[in-house]
Order: sequence, then C-alpha cells, then structure tokens
Amino acid sequence: EVQLEQSGAEVKKPGESLKISCKASGYSFTSHWIGWVRQMPGRGLEWMGLVSPNDTQPIYRPSFQGQVTLSADRSISTAYLQWSSVKASDTAIYYCARNWGSGGELFDIWGQGTLVTVSS
Amino acid sequence: EIVLTQSPATLSLSPGERATLSCRAGQSVGNRLAWYQQKPGQAPRLLIYDSSNRATGIPARFSGSGSGTDFTLTISSLEPEDFGFYYCQQRSGWPPIFTFGPGTKVDIK
Repeated sequence: EVQLEQSGAEVKKPGESLKISCKASGYSFTSHWIGWVRQMPGRGLEWMGLVSPNDTQPIYRPSFQGQVTLSADRSISTAYLQWSSVKASDTAIYYCARNWGSGGELFDIWGQGTLVTVSS
Repeated sequence: EIVLTQSPATLSLSPGERATLSCRAGQSVGNRLAWYQQKPGQAPRLLIYDSSNRATGIPARFSGSGSGTDFTLTISSLEPEDFGFYYCQQRSGWPPIFTFGPGTKVDIK
C-alpha cells in the first residue's frame, strides 16, 4: 500500500527549532517529488513547496522562501520540513503529499498531517 | 500565480440530493484542474484529476467537467459520508506554483 506516514504532533515555544518528517512506503521514493501543504486553524489549504528525492534544489512558494527548509533523505525514503525559529503564526497542520500527474500538477497520496502548536 | 475562486462557499443539502460545486480560474488552465475532498480531522483526498478523471477508488457518483477557466464538480446523489469540504487545485508556471481554491463546504441541511 502506498502511504506517507508523518511524525507526531509538536508543541513548541516561539524561537525554538523544529523538524517534522514524512516517511514514504509502498512505492519508489525517488520517482516522485513530495509537496508540503499548510492548513492554519479553520482555514483552507496552502502549498508551501516541493522537495525532490534526488538532490535537486527544492522549490518554495515565494512567501515561504527563507522561512522554512525542505529536505529529503532517499536512503530512508523520508522528506522533512524544518524551521530554525518557529513563531506563533506557524501554528497549523502540515501535510506532506506525493506529487503526481503527467506534468506533476497534483497530489495523489497525502500524509495524515502533523499538528504544530507554537505557544509561549 | 493563478487565483482560483469557488462557489458557493457553503452548500446545504440533504442526502440523496445532487450537489453542484463550481471552481473558476483567473486565467485558462486547460484541463489541468484537480478536486479534493477533506472531512473534519482528516487529510485531503484526491477525487478528480485533469478536470474529469476520477482517482482510484472514487465512486462514480463523483464527476468533474470543464476546461479553460470554468469547472464543475458534481455529486449525483449525496451520501452521508460526502459531507465536508471540497477544494479545487491547479499548478502553473515554472518554477511551479500550486494554488488551491478557498473551498466549498457541503453540509447537511
């Protein structure tokens, strides 16, 4: 079964660092980029960026460039989303999703989401 | 960045009724539009890709249509499990930018 398993919920204080993960199974990890999507409380879906499983530079939505870092470790089929210093406004559910489609235009498999809460 | 708008914001219907959801793109996206369903507390699920193709395992009561700037998701006869949020999505440009519509909530009348 193709699936993406995300790491568990996190509670952080403003200014702390954070790294969440997304482990792929059931398919060849190197065949698909992984996207990250943010969903703030009570809001819709917002694409953050794409990370390649093959050492190509990640692609960031401009508003997230410099705010987060995307990476991947193909040896363990895992993608990561990290912050060097979280803010209260980073409180959200973060989803990873497999990029798919003839032109890589959509996301066909989604992780269960990681809830990140940032509060002093 | 291509902006997607969805209407209505909320659709209140009874089980067995037909649901018609609209998504409009700020400029032509051809047929490269996807629809997702999200139930409370769950991750989104791909329903439709390339405007009209059902994803694996999606029931036949879900159908998509449209091209260019105007798209429709139709649920022919609502089942209790169909209530939730529906989002359209497209990708444009290089480097790519993926955008989602603001969503339509389908709730029980």
